[in-house]
Amino acid sequence: QLIQSGPEVRKPGASVKVSCKASGYTFSSFGITWVRQAPGQGLEWLGWISPYNNTTTHAQRLQGRVTMTTDTSASTASMELRSLTSDDTAVYYCARGMLMRCSGGCYSLYFDPWGQGSLVTVSS
Amino acid sequence: DIQMTQSPSSVSASVGDRVTITCRASQGISSYLAWYQQKPGKAPKLLIYAASSLQTGVSSRFSGSGSGTDFTLTISSLQPEDSATYYCQQANSLPLTFGGGTKVEIK
Repeated sequence: QLIQSGPEVRKPGASVKVSCKASGYTFSSFGITWVRQAPGQGLEWLGWISPYNNTTTHAQRLQGRVTMTTDTSASTASMELRSLTSDDTAVYYCARGMLMRCSGGCYSLYFDPWGQGSLVTVSS
Repeated sequence: DIQMTQSPSSVSASVGDRVTITCRASQGISSYLAWYQQKPGKAPKLLIYAASSLQTGVSSRFSGSGSGTDFTLTISSLQPEDSATYYCQQANSLPLTFGGGTKVEIK
């Protein structure tokens, strides 16, 4: 399973770091994908990281604002998002990857299971 | 980016009904498609991957079909616990994208 960190409130321009602790499987064997969901909206893929070699692939629209890392000793993945705006208010999910592909970047094709989600609120 | 369009946006059906949800990709994605179920306040759950493969532990009421640009998710006999929003997701090319969701309600 994947257990995520708790809710966060940040002011515009600040940064936030969300963590995702894995258990019940070999952490380094599966990629971790990050997805977010703005209130009442659909799902948006943010990026992927391989705990095996820390290779990352990010959504272009977040380029320069996001850093994804893993700590294999703690079986934990983290995502830091900088220069927050109100548009970043969302529930952020981590998910274990199923099947991997490398085409224009490496990524997990499908996601299961998911963490419970971490609400990030950006408000002045 | 590949746009994923789901229809209908919502459907209301009775217990035991057959429900079909459609997902159309803006360009061909082979069979790189998944379906997820999301209940209010919960994380999505993978139902179908590779367009038609049933994820382990998922009820056989759910089935998927299609390839190229047109895909369907079918619930063969709707149950009360199937009330949820369903999303399709393409895995053919970056950035991975999701459909807008279909809300399934029980009459």
